[in-house]
Amino acid sequence: EAGVAQSPRYKIIEKRQSVAFWCNPISGHATLYWYQQILGQGPKLLIQFQNNGVVDDSQLPKDRFSAERLKGVDSTLKIQPAKLEDSAVYLCASTTGRHNTGELFFGEGSRLTVL
Amino acid sequence: KNEVEQSPQNLTAQEGEFITINCSYSVGISALHWLQQHPGGGIVSLFMLSSGKKKHGRLIATINIQEKHSSLHITASHPRDSAVYICAVPISNFGNEKLTFGTGTRLTIIP
Repeated sequence: EAGVAQSPRYKIIEKRQSVAFWCNPISGHATLYWYQQILGQGPKLLIQFQNNGVVDDSQLPKDRFSAERLKGVDSTLKIQPAKLEDSAVYLCASTTGRHNTGELFFGEGSRLTVL
Repeated sequence: KNEVEQSPQNLTAQEGEFITINCSYSVGISALHWLQQHPGGGIVSLFMLSSGKKKHGRLIATINIQEKHSSLHITASHPRDSAVYICAVPISNFGNEKLTFGTGTRLTIIP
């Protein structure tokens, strides 16, 4: 079974530039999450999709972050313009159902460095 | 106060030792996840459990729903077990279950 695919693995940009990350979840997984993990901290949920609908985006900085999952399969997360504090690993995860019924599968993450 | 507390924060042990990592949470839950993250690596799901005990190789996870406590044990620890171990629980927030992560336990196994 193919895992959660993310790209790019690494990205270095200057502040005020834009960046986009892509995630392809495991086939058939309805729920997709984007997490931000700053070095030394635990993952912080940015957005949760159920199919192509947003379930929770309460911690997404909507002035600069956007995410979409148009066909209910793969998803993109965009940051525009980037700030220094956005330097982090962006993790995508998917599961078949809600947290209490499905095992979580994480991608390798996309490491962003903002200079 | 964090809703999910882990202890210890850091743990260093000799190869072969029996390891225990603890996780306590403050609200009723239906399941708990144990996750592993190697330095610079992605996160791997080790266990999802809602009662009793699960075993996979040298790893054992237990949960006591009444006491709101879970433990992750590693038998015959090996340097490749060195990683951050994170417990996570779904906590309801305005009708939506949000996965809440513990602060993680950094485990270092010395050869």
